[in-house]
This record gives sequence, structure tokens and C-alpha cells, in this order.
Amino acid sequence: DSGVTQTPKHLITATGQRVTLRCSPRSGDLSVYWYQQSLDQGLQFLIQYYNGEERAKGNILERFSAQQFPDLHSELNLSSLELGDSALYFCASNSGTGYGGYTFGSGTRLTVV
Amino acid sequence: AQTVTQSQPEMSVQEAETVTLSCTYDTSESNYYLFWYKQPPSRQMILVIRQEAYKQQNATENRFSVNFQKAAKSFSLKISDSQLGDTAMYFCAFMTPSGNTGKLIFGQGTTLQVKP
Repeated sequence: DSGVTQTPKHLITATGQRVTLRCSPRSGDLSVYWYQQSLDQGLQFLIQYYNGEERAKGNILERFSAQQFPDLHSELNLSSLELGDSALYFCASNSGTGYGGYTFGSGTRLTVV
Repeated sequence: AQTVTQSQPEMSVQEAETVTLSCTYDTSESNYYLFWYKQPPSRQMILVIRQEAYKQQNATENRFSVNFQKAAKSFSLKISDSQLGDTAMYFCAFMTPSGNTGKLIFGQGTTLQVKP
């Protein structure tokens, strides 16, 4: 157990639907990062939150949004889902600076049918 | 733009032998951090080793070591005495600390198969 908890582990949904992925960071970590990994590809950075505030944005589609709550857990909302959104979505956390590397959750496998 | 390139999509090695995975990066920053992550079939991302750019000494973690060539912007991973459990995809990653951002930029990965 890495200390970063992601739920659900697997999600199958239809095109056009909306889903919410949840991430609880490791205890004490203030930063949460979301990454998307399509089949056999590298990890693409989506968005980062630090202590409730958005700090950096990557290649995140307008149909996607995220937030970090006062208890530091984060949610990634994906709407109007398309087949191409099928991927593994990772959440990672660190203390805020990233110097020590990131701790990753086990990911959410999203399948859009 | 900062980029990370792993030029070897797939590699294989015999058990107990040594293998080196290549990684190059592009940046104009002088202060940054480099990482190697391992992703086994379970898909969990596991930190293997990290290197601070201001440190000249190459990082080592047990059977894993890096060859950091700052001028060449090269950061290769050497795995000694390869074990079957080393079979995984390996990602090189780069990060520049900037305020409280510091997002990781990943390469495309190298799939390593260790053969018995």
C-alpha cells in the first residue's frame, strides 16, 4: 500500500456519460497530481492541486475538471465521455515540492464503451 | 518545451546479466530532478531511483544505478544482476521545481523483459 488511495479501481461506462474518480493523498501530502496513461503509452500530466488550489495545468480537456477539498482529497470529473478517454488514470501526491519524488496510487482503469 | 526521450521501446536481458536503459532530456533549466519509475504488470508506479542535477555523484540503489551526464543531458539506468521481477515498463521522468508545482514529465517508456 503506497498510502495514496484511488477509487474505484475499475470503471466501465458508456459514451456520453460522466464519471468521478477519487483520490486520497498520502497522509501529510499537500499536492495532488492527476495523470492519464493510455494503452501502452507514457503518463500525460493533467492537473495539479496544492492545498486546495490549482497550481498547474497540463493537457487536460475542457470536458475534464478537478478539485481538491479541504480534507485534501481530490476528485477528477470526466464528462461527455468518448471512446478515446479509455485509459488508466493515476493520482500521485507529495509534500508539495516533488523533490522526493511522487507516491502514486494504484490507478483507476476507465473503459468507455 | 521540456521533453524526455526514451529511444528503446523494448529491451530484453538474460537473468543475472546487466542491462542499461537510455534516457535523454531537454531543458534550459539548471536546477532539476530526474527519476526512474518502474511499472510492473500490476500497473503500479514504483520509484526506482532519483538524481538531483546539482549532485555530480551518480545515484545508486542496490542493483540499480544511474549514469548522469549533465552536459549531454543523458540519464541512463543500469540494472545489475537482473531478476525476473525486474520485468516491467521503465519510465524516465524529469521535474523542475517551480514554486509549488513541480510536475513530472515522463518519457514514453521502455519495456524490459528479463528472460530465465
